[in-house]
Amino acid sequence: DQQVKQNSPSLSVQEGRISILNCDYTNSMFDYFLWYKKYPAEGPTFLISISSIKDKNEDGRFTVFLNKSAKHLSLHIVPSQPGDSAVYFCAASANRGNTGKLIFGQGTTLQVKP
Amino acid sequence: DAGVIQSPRHEVTEMGQEVTLRCKPISGHNSLFWYRQTMMRGLELLIYFNNNVPIDDSGMPEDRFSAKMPNASFSTLKIQPSEPRDSAVYFCASSRTGGFNTEAFFGQGTRLTVV
Repeated sequence: DQQVKQNSPSLSVQEGRISILNCDYTNSMFDYFLWYKKYPAEGPTFLISISSIKDKNEDGRFTVFLNKSAKHLSLHIVPSQPGDSAVYFCAASANRGNTGKLIFGQGTTLQVKP
Repeated sequence: DAGVIQSPRHEVTEMGQEVTLRCKPISGHNSLFWYRQTMMRGLELLIYFNNNVPIDDSGMPEDRFSAKMPNASFSTLKIQPSEPRDSAVYFCASSRTGGFNTEAFFGQGTRLTVV
């Protein structure tokens, strides 16, 4: 039973264009959401997060949007750069993240072409 | 800050053998998590500890898997006996919980191959 789903295994984007990565969740108790980025042979690293009291959070080129009614969130990267090529994991937590317990999706491999 | 340290980085073992993966969390972090990465399921949470106590082990796939955290600076994940389907990358992560909106910090992972 996958509570967090990333239905697109891969995405290819041209450098300078927008990358949009999508994530869906099923558990209505989730109230804190995160995106992690993972390069080969490394562990995932935290990228950006959003609390359920917001619908948007922006950090430089990265913006996360949350649609609670649809149980959907997305990560926008603008403009995309070749160094953004990595696997992106969506994660969710309940209790406003105070336990640190994160449920992850399957990941989406982003390739940004020069 | 050295980050979360996992050992070994790579492990190749024969089916039926015991495998022990090790993790040193970030100093001061009070929660520790073991994840397994597979293509089909992404990052699966196996077990997590808070203040060295196992809180949720519902993700541990079988009795062949066990985890311990004898103190705040060390944890092990043991598989006995190992099977080829256990081949995956295993990650350890730690966080400082008690507040809100906590992020977890990951180690570099252990790539396990069971032949």
